[in-house]
Amino acid sequence: DAKTTQPTSMDCAEGRAANLPCNHSTISGNEYVYWYRQIHSQGPQYIIHGLKNNETNEMASLIITEDRKSSTLILPHATLRDTAVYYCIVLRNAGGTSYGKLTFGQGTILTVHP
Amino acid sequence: DAGVIQSPRHEVTEMGQEVTLRCKPISGHNSLFWYRQTMMRGLELLIYFNNNVPIDDSGMPEDRFSAKMPNASFSTLKIQPSEPRDSAVYFCASSFDYGRFTEAFFGQGTRLTVV
Repeated sequence: DAKTTQPTSMDCAEGRAANLPCNHSTISGNEYVYWYRQIHSQGPQYIIHGLKNNETNEMASLIITEDRKSSTLILPHATLRDTAVYYCIVLRNAGGTSYGKLTFGQGTILTVHP
Repeated sequence: DAGVIQSPRHEVTEMGQEVTLRCKPISGHNSLFWYRQTMMRGLELLIYFNNNVPIDDSGMPEDRFSAKMPNASFSTLKIQPSEPRDSAVYFCASSFDYGRFTEAFFGQGTRLTVV
């Protein structure tokens, strides 16, 4: 599975949009981009995933560049409860031993302040 | 569903003792994962089961660690003998893999302290 690069930390003001970038320049055509987050003392939580089209759900939006070498997770109106570590993961879904095997990097520590 | 249930939530044990961590995955899920999290190494995948069969145990640190999944609703991670460096938070996660998408649901974790 492709390696990802994320900033170590980011800040965001409450009520503003939080834009978290992720570079995955070695991504393959059959690899998906997943985002998870981990709030302090809890297990990681799925946020969103995508292949090449932009995706939106009740939690966030995922923007993937046309060349698929990078993506941005957008939390449109960040709240204090969104303070967490955000993980960008690239995963091949087409079967084989990496099938479903989430490998977490260091992630981005997002701090939402009042 | 109550989600992935792990027990105990906290465990303190003495070095050399056997430790057993337990996990009940979400009903209907066919994949189960054990992770370990420390400050130094982050979240590490230890072992991955699919349909109760261990598919990838390359992350299991050494022979002191063993994991079983006797049925679809229960898994254990055993450490024998335990060492202080095994102190970490251990997470269990489950998912339903149907070939296109993986959303893993994590339990609340077991915080293990080996003294």
